[in-house]
Parts: sequence; C-alpha cells; structure tokens
Amino acid sequence: AQSVTQLDSQVPVFEEAPVELRCNYSSSVSVYLFWYVQYPNQGLQLLLKYLSGSTLVESINGFEAEFNKSQTSFHLRKPSVHISDTAEYFCAVSGTSYGKLTFGQGTILTVHP
Amino acid sequence: DTGVSQDPRHKITKRGQNVTFRCDPISEHNRLYWYRQTLGQGPEFLTYFQNEAQLEKSRLLSDRFSAERPKGSFSTLEIQRTEQGDSAMYLCASSFTEGAGDTQYFGPGTRLTVL
Repeated sequence: AQSVTQLDSQVPVFEEAPVELRCNYSSSVSVYLFWYVQYPNQGLQLLLKYLSGSTLVESINGFEAEFNKSQTSFHLRKPSVHISDTAEYFCAVSGTSYGKLTFGQGTILTVHP
Repeated sequence: DTGVSQDPRHKITKRGQNVTFRCDPISEHNRLYWYRQTLGQGPEFLTYFQNEAQLEKSRLLSDRFSAERPKGSFSTLEIQRTEQGDSAMYLCASSFTEGAGDTQYFGPGTRLTVL
C-alpha cells in the first residue's frame, strides 16, 4: 500500500517569489510520482511526473520536482511564481501495474500581487 | 480529442434515492478510473476498468455502489439508497496503456449533494 503526505495545506506567497510545495510518500514497492494541479473551477491536470531516469523533472510552465528516494520525497518548486499559478496542487503516487493513484491531501497555493 | 466528460455536473438528491452518473472517456483510452473527493481531501480511488472488465474495487465502494463499463466505452457509477456521507465530488479519469505510470486525464467531476 502507498500513502502520500503533503506537509502544507496552504502556501501563500507573493508574485515573483520562489515556492516549494512539499510531498513525502510511503510505499513498500517502487513507485511512480506525479503532481496534478487544479485551477479554480477546472478539473485536475497533470503537471509533471517521474517514472525513471533523471530524478529532476520539469513542466512546461517552469515548475520542477526532484525525486529523492532516500528521503521518500518529491517536492515541487518554482523559482518565480505568477498570479496565474494560484491553484490547488496534489501529489500522487502509483505503485501498481495499472496506475491506480494515491493522492495527498492537496496544497492550496495562493499568489498575491 | 474532446477530453473526458461527465454527466451530470451537479446532482442534488434526497437520502434514500438512487443516483447514476455517466463518464465518457477519451476515445480509444482503454483504462477508466473512478475517484471520490471530499472537501479538503485529495481524490480517493474507487474502482478501475481495463476495457469492459472491472479489475479492482476499493473497500470504499460499499455494496450500494456499482459501476459498469459496457463494451469498454462509457462508464456508469450508480449509488443506491444514498446517504448523507455519499456527498462528494465523483471524478472519472481515463488513460491509454503505456504500462505503469500512464497519464490519467480527469473529467470535471459530478458533485453529489445528499439532503
């Protein structure tokens, strides 16, 4: 079985500041790791995922996440946030052959002008 | 590619009534998932289909819940004798098999309110 803990339920930050959203997971098997984003009044969208290879993965809008196996973490970072990054972010893991996702509780990122 | 669609988007019902939700996945996606999300929580897995076969059901899915995916296309989720605790957002997702780690595409959800 897998579990995911997102350490911050809410993260307020000013525009152009850096941000880190923390995610820790627990699993008895190898996992695949995901960050999904939910913008206001929209459905969940994949932001980025780690399957194998380089432990640093990037999204098209400037976010990056690093898989740390020893610390069982997959923290999400962005060096400079925009107002449009305001959303709820979910970390998720999959450890099964068919991709069932186990989600964390979510982190609400609010970017202030 | 029109994305995953769900119908209805909102459903208000009285306790004890039956409700049915529909999910239309992205065409040619062979995997279909149902999740449930309550306020302040992340989505929780309910059940999974590969084509028309239902391959796993969560313990969250009591006997009052049933899901089908006839012909491996759209899926329905029925809740019988609804309870107030069933109030939640019901999410459908689909994916195309790439082995483990395939990207799931989510629909907008059906928000159920049980009075």
